Amino acid sequence: NAGVTQTPKFRVLKTGQSMTLLCAQDMNHEYMYWYRQDPGMGLRLIHYSVGEGTTAKGEVPDGYNVSRLKKQNFLLGLESAAPSQTSVYFCASSYSMNREETQYFGPGTRLLVL
Amino acid sequence: AQRVTQPEKLLSVFKGAPVELKCNYSYSGSPELFWYVQYSRQRLQLLLRHISRESIKGFTADLNKGETSFHLKKPFAQEEDSAMYYCALILAAAGNKLTFGGGTRVLVKP
Repeated sequence: NAGVTQTPKFRVLKTGQSMTLLCAQDMNHEYMYWYRQDPGMGLRLIHYSVGEGTTAKGEVPDGYNVSRLKKQNFLLGLESAAPSQTSVYFCASSYSMNREETQYFGPGTRLLVL
Repeated sequence: AQRVTQPEKLLSVFKGAPVELKCNYSYSGSPELFWYVQYSRQRLQLLLRHISRESIKGFTADLNKGETSFHLKKPFAQEEDSAMYYCALILAAAGNKLTFGGGTRVLVKP
């Protein structure tokens, strides 16, 4: 049981390049989330999904797109990377949207946009 | 909009000393509050949540609705407590969407 995994672990992009971050979970969780972590700002929700085929915007969605074609995978895309998107990206999943439910986090993807 | 504030970016204490991490929130309703921890080179994980009224690794947190605070305390800090700590809340109407504070780095010196 690997829990939540993320690929890649680290990536360097040039401004304007595109890339996709992959999040996978093997816990049969319905709900998945993408956060970005920046110094002094904690984690901020980018997009989330309440089930296969559904996505919704979080707090800071601009410049990102997501897809949830399979229940176990949640992809985060950057169509045209900008230096402001340099950050550490965390994926998380939870069994339900019950607010007592724990979210399980992936190890993070460190992205540097030059 | 709801907000979670952790006023201290860094707390440095000696081993065996008490440690208190402050967390204040601004929301008039009844949020559910959590503390998450990220140890060096490890993923973010839940430390404790208000609803469970639990003590984990010697840490406790008390919700003070009057002061809208959820401070995290431990009477005797250990070196292995050195980590990044995040306070977070979920609103009743927001499902399971977490709002995080900016985080406090705790350094426990020997």
